Amino acid sequence: GAGVSQTPSNKVTEKGKYVELRCDPISGHTALYWYRQSLGQGPEFLIYFQGTGAADDSGLPNDRFFAVRPEGSVSTLKIQRTERGDSAVYLCASSSRGDDSGNTIYFGEGSWLTVV
Amino acid sequence: AQRVTQPEKLLSVFKGAPVELKCNYSYSGSPELFWYVQYSRQRLQLLLRHISRESIKGFTADLNKGETSFHLKKPFAQEEDSAMYYCALKTGGTSYGKLTFGQGTILTVHP
Repeated sequence: GAGVSQTPSNKVTEKGKYVELRCDPISGHTALYWYRQSLGQGPEFLIYFQGTGAADDSGLPNDRFFAVRPEGSVSTLKIQRTERGDSAVYLCASSSRGDDSGNTIYFGEGSWLTVV
Repeated sequence: AQRVTQPEKLLSVFKGAPVELKCNYSYSGSPELFWYVQYSRQRLQLLLRHISRESIKGFTADLNKGETSFHLKKPFAQEEDSAMYYCALKTGGTSYGKLTFGQGTILTVHP
């Protein structure tokens, strides 16, 4: 596609429910990133994939958060037992590689999650 | 741990006036700094990076390691510059997509 695509754009869920957020990166991009942006804050890094593997998951806040990228393209961020504090915009980004000097990452429009 | 601070949440200027968006960072190693911009109803996108020493849309930013700052400047602001601006830091040895962002500054340029 023309850019990074994220679905759903908006999701309202009840506390305690399970949620999946999907990211379709730019075709051919091997590096994929998830960020979380709470109201009034800048984006916070969650996890980075290079191909199918999670190269860096140091930003995941706890074990309720998990992400996969089984075929090295589409990624799914999974949140179990959602809490009200999980309400945020979840941003996905991709780049052609993760380690090139001067490489540019491209962001999606985000998935706005509200936990009620 | 690394940190990026943007002290101004809101900044208003008139068209044609100079503008400076402040950014300070905290990192003991060799940093790489970026400015990202988000225009209304658009995605977050890269504006410029210090390593390229470039000027984009009339904006420049110089890395000052002594003051640990990377302020964004433009001599004559335009209405189309109105947007949210984020300063971001990449630390050594990590992927170019693993960034630490500041809280952002909303710039409004009045006609």
